[in-house]
Amino acid sequence: DAGVTQSPTHLIKTRGQQVTLRCSPKSGHDTVSWYQQALGQGPQFIFQYYEEEERQRGNFPDRFSGHQFPNYSSELNVNALLLGDSALYLCASSPGGQGGNEQFFGPGTRLTVL
Amino acid sequence: GQNIDQPTEMTATEGAIVQINCTYQTSGFNGLFWYQQHAGEAPTFLSYNVLDGLEEKGRFSSFLSRSKGYSYLLLKELQMKDSASYLCAVFYNQGGKLIFGQGTELSVKP
Repeated sequence: DAGVTQSPTHLIKTRGQQVTLRCSPKSGHDTVSWYQQALGQGPQFIFQYYEEEERQRGNFPDRFSGHQFPNYSSELNVNALLLGDSALYLCASSPGGQGGNEQFFGPGTRLTVL
Repeated sequence: GQNIDQPTEMTATEGAIVQINCTYQTSGFNGLFWYQQHAGEAPTFLSYNVLDGLEEKGRFSSFLSRSKGYSYLLLKELQMKDSASYLCAVFYNQGGKLIFGQGTELSVKP
């Protein structure tokens, strides 16, 4: 079992650009959540996808959008990048459509915006 | 809001016991997780409490009091490899989101 995988591991972009991050959930999991973790802080919930729909959303602007595919993999898109978007982006998957189950985290994508 | 409060930093000695506290707002509570995160790595699951009481798992135990909005993580027989950030996270409302505290950076010294 490969667990949760994310790509790429590191990314450098400039202000104003757009970025797409990818996540494949753990085998058997159908729910994917995305988090942003700034240095020295806990992860902040961005949104959660289940059955290809955004089910819950945190306090993030519309520049942050996502998608879930029929195979449960997911993408996070960020438009018009700001310096403050520099962070570790974590994807977590859980089973059964219920977010209260244990969430398994991927290794994250480190995004640097210059 | 749904503030999760935990100490920013703690220091303990190898072989000792340390308790990391977490307080949270109780409205909509549906469960509490503890995660361990080493620098540059993803969080890894330690424990999940949904009912009051103590859950023991080897050297790690986690306690929950739902009426008080309080939990702690107890680490026994500390090892150097336990130096990490410990994240308290609360699951609010069915099918909802996981809210994390800022994490407690634990340093274990010889």
